[in-house]
Amino acid sequence: GAVVSQHPSRVICKSGTSVKIECRSLDFQATTMFWYRQFPKQSLMLMATSNEGSKATYEQGVEKDKFLINHASLTLSTLTVTSAHPEDSSFYICSARLLTGDYGYTFGSGTRLTVV
Amino acid sequence: RKEVEQDPGPFNVPEGATVAFNCTYSNSASQSFFWYRQDCRKEPKLLMSVYSSGNEDGRFTAQLNRASQYISLLIRDSKLSDSATYLCVVKDTDKLIFGTGTRLQVFP
Repeated sequence: GAVVSQHPSRVICKSGTSVKIECRSLDFQATTMFWYRQFPKQSLMLMATSNEGSKATYEQGVEKDKFLINHASLTLSTLTVTSAHPEDSSFYICSARLLTGDYGYTFGSGTRLTVV
Repeated sequence: RKEVEQDPGPFNVPEGATVAFNCTYSNSASQSFFWYRQDCRKEPKLLMSVYSSGNEDGRFTAQLNRASQYISLLIRDSKLSDSATYLCVVKDTDKLIFGTGTRLQVFP
């Protein structure tokens, strides 16, 4: 089946540094990738939708200059958390929509970010 | 009002029990509905889609009431391995909107 590989699975960084999270579609082309954030005991909240070759669309309340999204190829989308602060500590998950088969969604395994 | 609302639980049930989860959604134009399962610190995984006529997959039955904007999931003969958080999900154009999830704990 369609697989999205997400790395790193876990990262601890110092406050003020930047962290890059990668999501790769391994056996299909992902023209659209969705980025979610999940705080403990809360729902997955959509942060932004990235489209290959164009600017990402951010949800209301999500700072585009803080959460940089790049989708330069059909198999790779990246999310960079810039100048991370402890309140950015969360579980970040990417998802791609399949354009064939059942047209469902496949998720990366998530990245647990801890900012200290 | 949240777009997708669920009772967070937890629901603590013994093995073999039947348990039902409910969910309401706010956008009457929504067309696609799903139940996902999420284990602790893992990505969500599709459990089943929800159709207007209701659908069943083994021990799991999902129902949709469009008039009431209400979705349900019934789990029969609960197993220990069913312990997880169950997420009600509504598709809005191309985006998936997740509920907060209902935590289920099945005990021996």
